[in-house]
Amino acid sequence: EVQLLESGGGLVQSGGSLRLSCATSGFTSSSYGIAWVRQAPGKGLEWVSTMSGDGHNTHYADSVKGRFTISRDNYKNTVYLQMDSLRVEDAALYYCARDRGPSDLFFAYWGQGTLVTVSS
Amino acid sequence: DIVMTQAPLFSPVTLGQPASISCRSSQSLVHSDGNTYLNWLQLRPGQPPRLLIYQISNRVSGVPDRFSGSGAGTDFTLKISRVEAEDVGVYYCMQATDFPRTFGQGTKVEI
Repeated sequence: EVQLLESGGGLVQSGGSLRLSCATSGFTSSSYGIAWVRQAPGKGLEWVSTMSGDGHNTHYADSVKGRFTISRDNYKNTVYLQMDSLRVEDAALYYCARDRGPSDLFFAYWGQGTLVTVSS
Repeated sequence: DIVMTQAPLFSPVTLGQPASISCRSSQSLVHSDGNTYLNWLQLRPGQPPRLLIYQISNRVSGVPDRFSGSGAGTDFTLKISRVEAEDVGVYYCMQATDFPRTFGQGTKVEI
């Protein structure tokens, strides 16, 4: 069974840092890109970043470029999102999701989300 | 960036009646591999997004057949043939053809 589980969310002050983790299981992690998607309170879904399965390609939304860094450890089947210089507008529920891979089912699998709160 | 525009943003529906959501992309979603990576997702309170339809019209296993997707190029539609109470939520189209991945604004479906 494919599963993704986020952790690492919490309360942080503006300008601070946080590292989110996404533990995956039930599929060959190195074959699939993993995306981070967020939903701010009262807002829609916003894609944040994706890293390819082999870790060679990374993509970021303009809103986080230069502040967030995505990485992965395929031995641990875990993808990370290092969030630095956090802003109040980064507060959101952060999901990880399975992106492109051998299956056509991009974004078919999501974690339950981890909440990031940024205080001013 | 590919901009995804949904309409309507709010859809009051009657149980048992059909509902339809439109999604338009600012450029073609046909990938260089020939596929069109247009997804429809459902978001219900307290739950993670759920993929309903992938590549325009393919229903995910377990999704009721009252949900259907259609379209091509830049114009896409999600239809619910007969709305049920459990269909209440926000529906998003999204493209996974190119980076950045982009979502529509969301359409809130309410009874």
